[in-house]
Amino acid sequence: GAVVSQHPSWVICKSGTSVKIECRSLDFQATTMFWYRQFPKQSLMLMATSNEGSKATYEQGVEKDKFLINHASLTLSTLTVTSAHPEDSSFYICSARDSPFGTVKNIQYFGAGTRLSVL
Amino acid sequence: DQQVKQNSPSLSVQEGRISILNCDYTNSMFDYFLWYKKYPAEGPTFLISISSIKDKNEDGRFTVFLNKSAKHLSLHIVPSQPGDSAVYFCAASEGSSNTGKLIFGQGTTLQVKP
Repeated sequence: GAVVSQHPSWVICKSGTSVKIECRSLDFQATTMFWYRQFPKQSLMLMATSNEGSKATYEQGVEKDKFLINHASLTLSTLTVTSAHPEDSSFYICSARDSPFGTVKNIQYFGAGTRLSVL
Repeated sequence: DQQVKQNSPSLSVQEGRISILNCDYTNSMFDYFLWYKKYPAEGPTFLISISSIKDKNEDGRFTVFLNKSAKHLSLHIVPSQPGDSAVYFCAASEGSSNTGKLIFGQGTTLQVKP
């Protein structure tokens, strides 16, 4: 399957600082990447859809000024958690779609996730 | 409103036996379904998928069955191995929406006992 790399895997930061998480598709071009958040023992919650060369589409209830997404190339999307607070502590996971739009087939390949701890 | 539901939070199976994980959905527009496996502190790993024009897809020890009339799909793992112990998520997408979004169930934790 396709490989998606996510970095860093774990970050600890002080309250008020910003943290950037990178998501790269290593062996395919991804025009669309997705950012999820997972709370303990819960399902994956989609935060936003990241489209190469255009603005991200955020899900209802997700603050776009808090979670900045940039998809500058076909292989890289970044999520920046701005002015992080303890309630932002969570497991963040990115994914990339490896099939063209217009087809039924829709497989997303996931990165390994980033554990964010805000002190 | 939970469009994809996995009503069993956990399942325990003996090694070598069959594991059956279930998933129900409510949106009749869903036309593609997937199963993912997830270990703690890792991202989900794609296992197997099925489109709505089929009722069965098999890949090695993994088989997914789709019952469109019942809006139900299941994942069969035969034979189960201890390494299969993980959280399994089913997911669904609606191709006509063109957003590429996947809607995930809550997950089922599978434990395979040696």
